[in-house]
Amino acid sequence: ETGVTQTPRHLVMGMTNKKSLKCEQHLGHNAMYWYKQSAKKPLELMFVYNFKEQTENNSVPSRFSPECPNSSHLFLHLHTLQPEDSALYLCASSPGGFGNIQYFGAGTRLSVL
Amino acid sequence: KQEVTQIPAALSVPEGENLVLNCSFTDSAIYNLQWFRQDPGKGLTSLLLIQSSQREQTSGRLNASLDKSSGRSTLYIAASQPGDSATYLCAASPGQNFVFGPGTRLSVLP
Repeated sequence: ETGVTQTPRHLVMGMTNKKSLKCEQHLGHNAMYWYKQSAKKPLELMFVYNFKEQTENNSVPSRFSPECPNSSHLFLHLHTLQPEDSALYLCASSPGGFGNIQYFGAGTRLSVL
Repeated sequence: KQEVTQIPAALSVPEGENLVLNCSFTDSAIYNLQWFRQDPGKGLTSLLLIQSSQREQTSGRLNASLDKSSGRSTLYIAASQPGDSATYLCAASPGQNFVFGPGTRLSVLP
């Protein structure tokens, strides 16, 4: 147990659906991250939040919309996704700043039909 | 742009062997390098973090080294066990985020 909880663990959605992924950390960290892990590709950073402010968007399509209402919670809102968006979505948190260990959740396995 | 590679892509060894996993990165300007373990369909578990000023870190049967000048890191696993079977990822940190390698899939056979 890393202290980072992601829900749901599995999600199947159609291309016209709207759904949200949730991430929660109880580690007192100030930074939170969304990563995407596709089959046969390295982990890709999507978004970074520091103290609830988005500080990095790694050229992610607008059909992915992050939200960070406070330092403990991070959401990823999904709408009109494509089949190629099927992947494992991982959330991580860290104390913030440079060079700190990141703690990962177990991930949400997303399938887009 | 930082790029991270790992060799081999997959490795299968009998139980009890010592083994070395390799990680290379293109830009030596990093804050640290981290090794992770990922079990199938699961999240990542941090194994070792080496700060840029350090040469190595040890935890139990694991030892990780860092040579910034050559852009290389190695993870040494001593006396491997079937429970070590997983994918091992290295990640280099050019700033706050990490750039990940593709991983080495390790199978330790009983």
